[in-house]
Amino acid sequence: AQSVTQLGSHVSVSEGALVLLRCNYSSSVPPYLFWYVQYPNQGLQLLLKYTSAATLVKGINGFEAEFKKSETSFHLTKPSAHMSDAAEYFCAVGTGANNLFFGTGTRLTVIP
Amino acid sequence: SAVISQKPSRDICQRGTSLTIQCQVDSQVTMMFWYRQQPGQSLTLIATANQGSEATYESGFVIDKFPISRPNLTFSTLTVSNMSPEDSSIYLCSVLGDWGETQYFGPGTRLLVL
Repeated sequence: AQSVTQLGSHVSVSEGALVLLRCNYSSSVPPYLFWYVQYPNQGLQLLLKYTSAATLVKGINGFEAEFKKSETSFHLTKPSAHMSDAAEYFCAVGTGANNLFFGTGTRLTVIP
Repeated sequence: SAVISQKPSRDICQRGTSLTIQCQVDSQVTMMFWYRQQPGQSLTLIATANQGSEATYESGFVIDKFPISRPNLTFSTLTVSNMSPEDSSIYLCSVLGDWGETQYFGPGTRLLVL
């Protein structure tokens, strides 16, 4: 069985500051891991994915995430927050891309 | 990637009525999915729709309430039947792309039931 936990339903950062959104997963088999972003009144957009290749994954808009098996984590980071990063971020885990379990989401606010 | 459109983008409906949501993708895909996102919550999978077979529903969702059609490899519909205010949600379709390695999502249908 898979599950995913996103710590912090709301995160606020200042513009230009580091963004860190936390995701921990549970999986009995090597997982597929995803980060999606949802802007207001829009669907989900893929930010990045881990599918057993390189552990440091680079995505769109300057985001990246590192798969750490020993910590069962897949935290999302961005060195410098931009106002346009304000959105809801969802972490998802699955044994494949066809059976994803989504976290409860983290709403990112960027303070000017 | 895949380009996915949904119709309608939003609707306001009266309780007891039904609404059919359409999902169109710009390429042929084997698997399509329907999700519900209740206000302020995460995504819950309703069902998986494969072309040429009955949809597979997740626990808590039944065909009588959420009938799904999948007539070809680029199109699917989800009907929300006999609606109540508790059905007010965003309904999202997604497809399996990148040779089965990624789910891509449509823009969603925002439904309000009065």
